[in-house]
Amino acid sequence: GAVVSQHPSRVICKSGTSVKIECRSLDFQATTMFWYRQFPKQSLMLMATSNEGSKATYEQGVEKDKFLINHASLTLSTLTVTSAHPEDSSFYICSASLGRGGYQPQHFGDGTRLSIL
Amino acid sequence: GEDVEQSLFLSVREGDSSVINCTYTDSSSTYLYWYKQEPGAGLQLLTYIFSNMDMKQDQRLTVLLNKKDKHLSLRIADTQTGDSAIYFCAETALKGAGSYQLTFGKGTKLSVIP
Repeated sequence: GAVVSQHPSRVICKSGTSVKIECRSLDFQATTMFWYRQFPKQSLMLMATSNEGSKATYEQGVEKDKFLINHASLTLSTLTVTSAHPEDSSFYICSASLGRGGYQPQHFGDGTRLSIL
Repeated sequence: GEDVEQSLFLSVREGDSSVINCTYTDSSSTYLYWYKQEPGAGLQLLTYIFSNMDMKQDQRLTVLLNKKDKHLSLRIADTQTGDSAIYFCAETALKGAGSYQLTFGKGTKLSVIP
């Protein structure tokens, strides 16, 4: 149980392109979804927290106009990297939680490797 | 701010036990987690422990928590080559506006020697 599906798994595109990444909870309804960014050999850095039907809460230093998050339903959240540049190349991972994260563990997708040329 | 520390590398022989250690600073931590990440993949939840517990065992995995010292460990019995991966320690605590967030360590790369 608690399967989270993330698509696409890998994207390579030119600078200036906008890229959308989907995160779906397949067998449970996710009240809260989280988006992380992971640099090579580094830990996960939380970018934003999104609750279904409300605006995402972004961490300090994360541009909300650059990284658009939509959590339209209890099973789907999307992250759109707008006008991507080479410095946006990274591994993006989403997670989903039944609750607001405290008493329900986060379950992670397999990540999306984004490479901007 | 909150901090989670863990050693970066551990190497063990197949069949031996592995012990991965972690320390954290947030005394309000409610749950502590161990996640496993294989190359190019997301994180797999291995186990978690509530902060009022001392120990939790699940098959080959044993988690020990010393809340006084803010020290968490993961013991893997009879380590197999398939256990080779990066293991992340994480803690969660109530943050502002009533939300819970995970704080991760940098990960311990476990290498199992056949």
